[in-house]
Amino acid sequence: DAGVIQSPRHEVTEMGQEVTLRCKLISGHNSLFWYRQTMMRGLELLIYFNNNVPIDDSGMPEDRFSAKMPNASFSTLKIQPSEPRDSAVYFCASSRSGTGIYTQYFGPGTRLTVL
Amino acid sequence: DAKTTQPPSMDCAEGRAANLPCNHSTISGNEYVYWYRQIHSQGPQYIIHGLKNNETNEMASLIITEDRKSSTLILPHATLRDTAVYYCIVRAGQIIFGKGTRLHILP
Repeated sequence: DAGVIQSPRHEVTEMGQEVTLRCKLISGHNSLFWYRQTMMRGLELLIYFNNNVPIDDSGMPEDRFSAKMPNASFSTLKIQPSEPRDSAVYFCASSRSGTGIYTQYFGPGTRLTVL
Repeated sequence: DAKTTQPPSMDCAEGRAANLPCNHSTISGNEYVYWYRQIHSQGPQYIIHGLKNNETNEMASLIITEDRKSSTLILPHATLRDTAVYYCIVRAGQIIFGKGTRLHILP
């Protein structure tokens, strides 16, 4: 079975450019999570969706970040404009909610470098 | 949400059992104990979870004390590939990661 798929795996961009990260959920999963990981702050939850609806976006740093689920199996995280402090590894994870158990399956991550 | 306390790092000899402790003294009745690990440069990987009873799967065993205030993750025969950061998470809702335990497997 395919796991969570993220693209691109690596992204290098210049400050001010728009960056779009993509994530495909595991088939049958209905919850989607975006995380950011840096050495200083560890693994931080940015936003999560349940059945395509954003449930909690309190971890989104600021208005430059936006996330969408255009359909049940796909999500994007956009940063516009990007800044050097956005450099991090971005993970998405999916799970099957509704049972009260939130076992999440993570993708390989996108390493973003903003110059 | 219950807070967890884990040692920042541990060493274990290859082939021996690795026992990773976690304290969660403020856990409430409906909160599960989850364990994840993150191998360098990879995404976190689910290992196991439990509520009250001890659990075992192909990766590890989870021992939860009767009062549920602490737990131990056991990797029965540690290999070099088990070198990772191990996160103990106690949560009724969504999962929040702390700093974890960095486990070094020594050859």
